[in-house]
Amino acid sequence: DSGVTQTPKHLITATGQRVTLRCSPRSGDLSVYWYQQSLDQGLQFLIQYYNGEERAKGNILERFSAQQFPDLHSELNLSSLELGDSALYFCASSGPGTSGMVTQYFGPGTRLTVL
Amino acid sequence: GQQVMQIPQYQHVQEGEDFTTYCNSSTTLSNIQWYKQRPGGHPVFLIQLVKSGEVKKQKRLTFQFGEAKKNSSLHITATQTTDVGTYFCAGMDSSYKLIFGSGTRLLVRP
Repeated sequence: DSGVTQTPKHLITATGQRVTLRCSPRSGDLSVYWYQQSLDQGLQFLIQYYNGEERAKGNILERFSAQQFPDLHSELNLSSLELGDSALYFCASSGPGTSGMVTQYFGPGTRLTVL
Repeated sequence: GQQVMQIPQYQHVQEGEDFTTYCNSSTTLSNIQWYKQRPGGHPVFLIQLVKSGEVKKQKRLTFQFGEAKKNSSLHITATQTTDVGTYFCAGMDSSYKLIFGSGTRLLVRP
């Protein structure tokens, strides 16, 4: 157990709909990252937040948005869903690891299926 | 745009054989990270390399970062069935953006 929680575990919805994925980072971690992993694909970095502020942006579609709240949990909003948005969405958090290294801890993921 | 190429895509080895996966970036990286994802699981952070020419070891795993900070490798000595999974490298650019390689899927025959 990485200490990062994601809800829901599974989500099935229809094209055109909007969904919200939630992530709670490990206690004390200030950074939250969102990734998309399509079937048999690699990981696509979407966005990073640090202590409530956007820090880095990857190939995140305009239909997607995210935010990090004062209690440090984060939400990823996906709107106008398309079939191609079906994927596993991971959240990760980071804080200092051993010997000062930055370690990213991944949550179990949310599997989104768009029908 | 910036890319991180990773090869091979798949590697099927006999238990006890060595395994290496390579990553190449089109631009200089601030650092490179390695992750392992077991089938059906989530990525697990293995290590981060920051310095040019850096070499780090974790038991049977050896990680290298190239002198130009554009390439990296992960070498596993004497593979075991527990090494099965997909290994990803991820390069971080100067704007803190992480770009993942496509991963190398390792299968180990017992």
